[in-house]
Amino acid sequence: ETGVTQTPRHLVMGMTNKKSLKCEQHLGHNAMYWYKQSAKKPLELMFVYSLEERVENNSVPSRFSPECPNSSHLFLHLHTLQPEDSALYLCASSQDLRQDTDTQYFGPGTRLTVL
Amino acid sequence: AQSVTQPDIHITVSEGASLELRCNYSYGATPYLFWYVQSPGQGLQLLLKYFSGDTLVQGIKGFEAEFKRSQSSFNLRKPSVHWSDAAEYFCAVGGSQGNLIFGKGTKLSVKP
Repeated sequence: ETGVTQTPRHLVMGMTNKKSLKCEQHLGHNAMYWYKQSAKKPLELMFVYSLEERVENNSVPSRFSPECPNSSHLFLHLHTLQPEDSALYLCASSQDLRQDTDTQYFGPGTRLTVL
Repeated sequence: AQSVTQPDIHITVSEGASLELRCNYSYGATPYLFWYVQSPGQGLQLLLKYFSGDTLVQGIKGFEAEFKRSQSSFNLRKPSVHWSDAAEYFCAVGGSQGNLIFGKGTKLSVKP
């Protein structure tokens, strides 16, 4: 498999559930990102990891908890979410954090619905 | 603060017609600029990017964009649109943490 994959593609959960989103990149990259795409709002950066260390936490509520066990995998653990958290969650990766040379490659996203 | 404005939420063009999608950015230094496309149910695919040098950038699928510093713009163009170009297009500027700051997107519809 190539590129950036995300599972599940669709997720419906209640506000009291705990679930996790998974992202895997097969590109040998060192940096990984979580973005949130809500209707009628720009894509919002949530977290950035470089070499498995978090380098950016963009004021994200603690009900979202990222985990990067290695440079190929990124998780987003979800608990006690709110209906307004319903969105498309996109994972991306890049070789490093240098924007003059590194392109971000995106996965297909997980469509999350919180009831 | 860095920001990106895409003034057109939705554009409809006829197949074969030319296309221009507008993008304006706010950034203090020389920006890194990007255009991405998102088809329904898919992630974002990079069309082209500008880092430095020639202000007219060629991308995939016949797209090009021109960086105009004086206008703080990075408009995307295509001379002849195909039905398969119907998608949502996002302009982005590189942020200080290696992230991307996106505009709200422009949805393109193509009439047969």
